Amino acid sequence: TQLLEQSPQFLSIQEGENLTVYCNSSSVFSSLQWYRQEPGEGPVLLVTVVTGGEVKKLKRLTFQFGDARKDSSLHITAAQPGDTGLYLCAGAPGSGGSNYKLTFGKGTLLTVNP
Amino acid sequence: EAEVAQSPRYKITEKSQAVAFWCDPISGHATLYWYRQILGQGPELLVQFQDESVVDDSQLPKDRFSAERLKGVDSTLKIQPAELGDSAMYLCASSLRTAITFGSGTRLTVV
Repeated sequence: TQLLEQSPQFLSIQEGENLTVYCNSSSVFSSLQWYRQEPGEGPVLLVTVVTGGEVKKLKRLTFQFGDARKDSSLHITAAQPGDTGLYLCAGAPGSGGSNYKLTFGKGTLLTVNP
Repeated sequence: EAEVAQSPRYKITEKSQAVAFWCDPISGHATLYWYRQILGQGPELLVQFQDESVVDDSQLPKDRFSAERLKGVDSTLKIQPAELGDSAMYLCASSLRTAITFGSGTRLTVV
C-alpha cells in the first residue's frame, strides 16, 4: 500500500501570511494531484504534476513535485480567507485508464483568519 | 460545466437498516469511483469501475456493501445492514483519463 503523509495536519494563520504544506511518501508516483475540499463538498482538483522537479503556479499557489517523484509541496503566498479548506494530496502509480487509482493523504486543514 | 451528480445529499438511517446511494457521472467518463471519507481523513477508495466492470473492490466490505454499474453509466452503492461505523461522507467520482471529478457526496449518519 502506498501511503501519503501530509503535514501539518492543522494550520491556522492570519490573512496575508505565507504558508507551505507538505506531502511525503516512501513510494514513487507517476503523478500527484492536489485538491481543495470545502465543508460538505467533494474535493476539487487544483493541479496535477507528473515530472520530477516540476513546478506549477496557479495564481498565488505554487506546487512542486520532488525530483524523485516521492514528495510534493504546496506554497500559498499572501493567504486570503477564501483559501480556507482541506488541502489533500493524492498520488497515482499508474498512467491512466482502468489502472488509474488515487491514494489520498489525510489532508491539511487550513484556516485563514481575516 | 459538467458535474458528477449524487443523491441524496444527506441520509440518516438506523443501524441494521438498508441504505442506497446513487451517482450519475460526467457523460462519456468510463471510469467511476466510490470513495468513503471519514471526518478528518482523506478519501478511501471503496470500488472502481471501468465501464460496467469492477476493476478494484479490494477495500469494499463485501459482507455488507455492494456496488453496481449495470449499463456502464450511473451507479448505486448499497449498505445492508448499516452499522454505526459506516457514518461518513460517500463520494462518487468519474474520470476520462487522469482528471478526476468528484461529486458533492452523500453524508450518511447511522444512529
